[in-house]
Amino acid sequence: ILNVEQSPQSLHVQEGDSTNFTCSFPSSNFYALHWYRWETAKSPEALFVMTLNGDEKKKGRISATLNTKEGYSYLYIKGSQPEDSATYLCALATGGGNKLTFGTGTQLKVEL
Amino acid sequence: GAVVSQHPSWVICKSGTSVKIECRSLDFQATTMFWYRQFPKQSLMLMATSNEGSKATYEQGVEKDKFLINHASLTLSTLTVTSAHPEDSSFYICSARGIETQYFGPGTRLLVL
Repeated sequence: ILNVEQSPQSLHVQEGDSTNFTCSFPSSNFYALHWYRWETAKSPEALFVMTLNGDEKKKGRISATLNTKEGYSYLYIKGSQPEDSATYLCALATGGGNKLTFGTGTQLKVEL
Repeated sequence: GAVVSQHPSWVICKSGTSVKIECRSLDFQATTMFWYRQFPKQSLMLMATSNEGSKATYEQGVEKDKFLINHASLTLSTLTVTSAHPEDSSFYICSARGIETQYFGPGTRLLVL
């Protein structure tokens, strides 16, 4: 059983703060690392798919980095806004990319 | 683009009844769909991989006779929880494989009384 861990479990920040979360995963059998944002009562939204060691991807104020050798990925949010409040999930893809093993997520709350 | 719908969004049923959940890819074709389950405070766990026109592949520990999966078209997969019991109460969510990632539906909350 693969163990994908996310920290912290939850986070409260003020509007305008920058924040980051961690996803740790076993580096063997690595195919890709996915990040999703999941707002309550909505579908999880795909943010990034990262495949190469040293990958860095950006989407607006959100960016992510990947270290496959040591088995971790960071997600950064710059200048957090209330609409960033959501649960952020990471998932390790193995088995040719089809099988996703999820972490338990980081629940972010951005307060005014 | 890449929208996946799921129906119903929640269902309450009596113990012993069967419940069918539908997962549709609305604007793309999906030869492969996935079914996950999430218990409180746990992560999404893959139950099975559904391939259009062939039998589903179940993860270890998931009873195929209990959770019937049908993927009869390129836009629809269904999960039927047969003879549901209270321990089957959970959040069920499907996804459809796209080019680079999986696109998820909004999920179905099942409560078995």
